[in-house]
Amino acid sequence: ETGVTQTPRHLVMGMTNKKSLKCEQHLGHNAMYWYKQSAKKPLELMFVYNFKEQTENNSVPSRFSPECPNSSHLFLHLHTLQPEDSALYLCASSHEGLAGGPADTQYFGPGTRLTVL
Amino acid sequence: RKEVEQDPGPFNVPEGATVAFNCTYSNSASQSFFWYRQDCRKEPKLLMSVYSSGNEDGRFTAQLNRASQYISLLIRDSKLSDSATYLCVVNLLNQGGKLIFGQGTELSVKP
Repeated sequence: ETGVTQTPRHLVMGMTNKKSLKCEQHLGHNAMYWYKQSAKKPLELMFVYNFKEQTENNSVPSRFSPECPNSSHLFLHLHTLQPEDSALYLCASSHEGLAGGPADTQYFGPGTRLTVL
Repeated sequence: RKEVEQDPGPFNVPEGATVAFNCTYSNSASQSFFWYRQDCRKEPKLLMSVYSSGNEDGRFTAQLNRASQYISLLIRDSKLSDSATYLCVVNLLNQGGKLIFGQGTELSVKP
């Protein structure tokens, strides 16, 4: 399936590096999400974008910087990360979840497995 | 208290067995409920939504008890291919697309 793609699939970086994760969706959705999945922990929502506008920032450290240039693309810029940031970073998209209405199905990309040395 | 709590498992069952997963949620403002499935080293995928009246999709039956803030998933006649982690997911009223995930219950179906 190629509805939501993510690159790179694997990334190893040092604490002083700067890198970016990319997500692209081909489903015509207008909401996109970044999640973090650490071992033995639930998925943690990091950021939500609706129609390119950030509507949620779940107390994420500033070393993670999202960018949404259009409704099909989402980036996560990384700098001066810590070893505890090592995790699977998942992008998802959906039709916009309307306030007061039910959430629509979210479709996930395959994720980027990040290791910070 | 965790917002969404599940048995961590793992559940090890033989093929053909019936297995039930339980999930509780803490926020009474939760309005939408889902079960997602996540295979090893893969992304989560929607298995089924959960409706107040309960719903069934083939071998899978989902139930919701709003009074007890409890959700369940029943898998009948389990197959080897059902082996995965099952994620209980809720969405809060007026929170749009924000989903809250449980930590997942791992299922291993053996021949």
